[in-house]
Amino acid sequence: EAQVTQNPRYLITVTGKKLTVTCSQNMNHEYMSWYRQDPGLGLRQIYYSMNVEVTDKGDVPEGYKVSRKEKRNFPLILESPSPNQTSLYFCASSPSGGKNSPLHFGNGTRLTVT
Amino acid sequence: GENVEQHPSTLSVQEGDSAVIKCTYSDSASNYFPWYKQELGKGPQLIIDIRSNVGEKKDQRIAVTLNKTAKHFSLHITETQPEDSAVYFCAASKNNAGKSTFGDGTTLTVKP
Repeated sequence: EAQVTQNPRYLITVTGKKLTVTCSQNMNHEYMSWYRQDPGLGLRQIYYSMNVEVTDKGDVPEGYKVSRKEKRNFPLILESPSPNQTSLYFCASSPSGGKNSPLHFGNGTRLTVT
Repeated sequence: GENVEQHPSTLSVQEGDSAVIKCTYSDSASNYFPWYKQELGKGPQLIIDIRSNVGEKKDQRIAVTLNKTAKHFSLHITETQPEDSAVYFCAASKNNAGKSTFGDGTTLTVKP
């Protein structure tokens, strides 16, 4: 089944403790992206990747890191999480971001930072 | 950068009625406008999209219209059903930019 898989689905952590949210897609998509969803603010783009070893900042990149060492994986790293990063996070992929194709989303990771 | 405004933020209709959600965008270079439906506990899922060389697109009970001059596009759902209840997002992007800008979402409730 074609899908985007995020792990974990739920995560509670404390301020300053490094964490990684994994994202994997099995559709051989070139483009991958991370979004955060907050009430009343819609989906805001954190980072995106047009292809392996190519990443770029979205609208809200502060406090996050990403890497794209292989095509299927695009982990989101919070080196020193803070409470304002408590949010619902979505990973998405598409065949080609450069040619504007639909995004396929994972089911989300709900992160709580205390 | 691009700015997308979506209205209304909440919409309640009776089953069988039509629902319309509107979005405006600011960047005239944007040329791809998808609509996503998000059900509780799931990620958004594409329901319909339109590109700037087309004015209208239909898929059964769902249609999207685009007015490039006014820079707005709308989602139309006819004969609504309770299973249409969800959060709907519009988005705008342009070729080779890599970025997608989303509206803030509309919570649609269809009352049986």
